[in-house]
Amino acid sequence: GAGVSQSPSNKVTEKGKDVELRCDPISGHTALYWYRQSLGQGLEFLIYFQGNSAPDKSGLPSDRFSAERTGGSVSTLTIQRTQQEDSAVYLCASSSRLAADTQYFGPGTRLTVL
Amino acid sequence: SQQGEEDPQALSIQEGENATMNCSYKTSINNLQWYRQNSGRGLVHLILIRSNEREKHSGRLRVTLDTSKKSSSLLITASRAADTASYFCATAYSGAGSYQLTFGKGTKLSVIP
Repeated sequence: GAGVSQSPSNKVTEKGKDVELRCDPISGHTALYWYRQSLGQGLEFLIYFQGNSAPDKSGLPSDRFSAERTGGSVSTLTIQRTQQEDSAVYLCASSSRLAADTQYFGPGTRLTVL
Repeated sequence: SQQGEEDPQALSIQEGENATMNCSYKTSINNLQWYRQNSGRGLVHLILIRSNEREKHSGRLRVTLDTSKKSSSLLITASRAADTASYFCATAYSGAGSYQLTFGKGTKLSVIP
């Protein structure tokens, strides 16, 4: 079907507020990844979901970050008590079980924390 | 932390010329991939080369991989203005089934018409 979609495309929030970012992976893709791209750190892995297995959260920078994936499809990345250093583009990617090593990226959500 | 390092950081060429970008990495990999990014948004997958491969072609793209030197190069032949973008190499190592990617800092390519 269609590619990976993310919403919103842009989000401006005030420091201390919580934000939710959404990712709709390609239909049928079992693996879902979140990455973050910021000026200072480049592109960084955040979290990985595969089917119903426990997620790999090793890339989450702090306990203010969490993510869930409902029904093995849509994922939401939540950032609590946002800080200015959270400003970045948050990218979601998905891959299929048959071609697990090729990830397809969404357009990203640009988060700006004032 | 970043594993890959691209070089050069920025490259400006005339349309029709070839563009070569290099990438070095530090640890063992299953594969190395190149992505393109326009205007700081979504990444477009260009080509994947596995650790047991040395060279791969796709259209105007040629990728080489030297695992002994832990380096890769991306060659874009007969460049076009539309090739203007940032190019990233990414390495993947499958540990527990995850192919999480570790990205380099990217090369910003400008193709002048």
